[in-house]
Amino acid sequence: QKEVEQDPGPLSVPEGAIVSLNCTYSNSAFQYFMWYRQYSRKGPELLMYTYSSGNKEDGRFTAQVDKSSKYISLFIRDSQPSDSATYLCAMSGSNDYKLSFGAGTTVTVRA
Amino acid sequence: DADVTQTPRNRITKTGKRIMLECSQTKGHDRMYWYRQDPGLGLRLIYYSFDVKDINKGEISDGYSVSRQAQAKFSLSLESAIPNQTALYFCATSDPGMSGYTFGSGTRLTVV
Repeated sequence: QKEVEQDPGPLSVPEGAIVSLNCTYSNSAFQYFMWYRQYSRKGPELLMYTYSSGNKEDGRFTAQVDKSSKYISLFIRDSQPSDSATYLCAMSGSNDYKLSFGAGTTVTVRA
Repeated sequence: DADVTQTPRNRITKTGKRIMLECSQTKGHDRMYWYRQDPGLGLRLIYYSFDVKDINKGEISDGYSVSRQAQAKFSLSLESAIPNQTALYFCATSDPGMSGYTFGSGTRLTVV
């Protein structure tokens, strides 16, 4: 079993829809949770960062962490065609700064 | 200039050849990483370095070696390339606090 599980999709939604992405993990030592966005032929770029449990909002993006369920989510409101990309979850422990990544979910927002 | 620069961007090489992928960064970070990305498998850690004298194997280091020439430079070598090393390779850096990685644009390597 992988340490971080993420449904690869693909996910296709109409413009304006809410995109919901999630990951599950098995390592209870994980404390740092991130979402990266990767456009085609580009490197991943950090989108959202959360420490421990809770919610974080940044514009149209909301990240949620539920450590009791070992489950994290990313929501994109009012999705735009420019949000079409692969989204990767990543996480690490507090004493180990190596990130473990999910496989990535490919999202297409249709105009 | 990009914060993390990888060269080459694309490379096709033959089985058995030695190849080096290079990475340089202007972030001033001590920590550098090499990952490979394969469809359906996500990013997997090959090697990482927390400073010039500290180099560590990741989860898939077999068949690879690295060299940390300076704080800003971290290169990855495939000693004898094989076709299943065909992948997208990324270099990344991070600061000591866990604030996330900065990635390069990647090197697409094809071994034929």
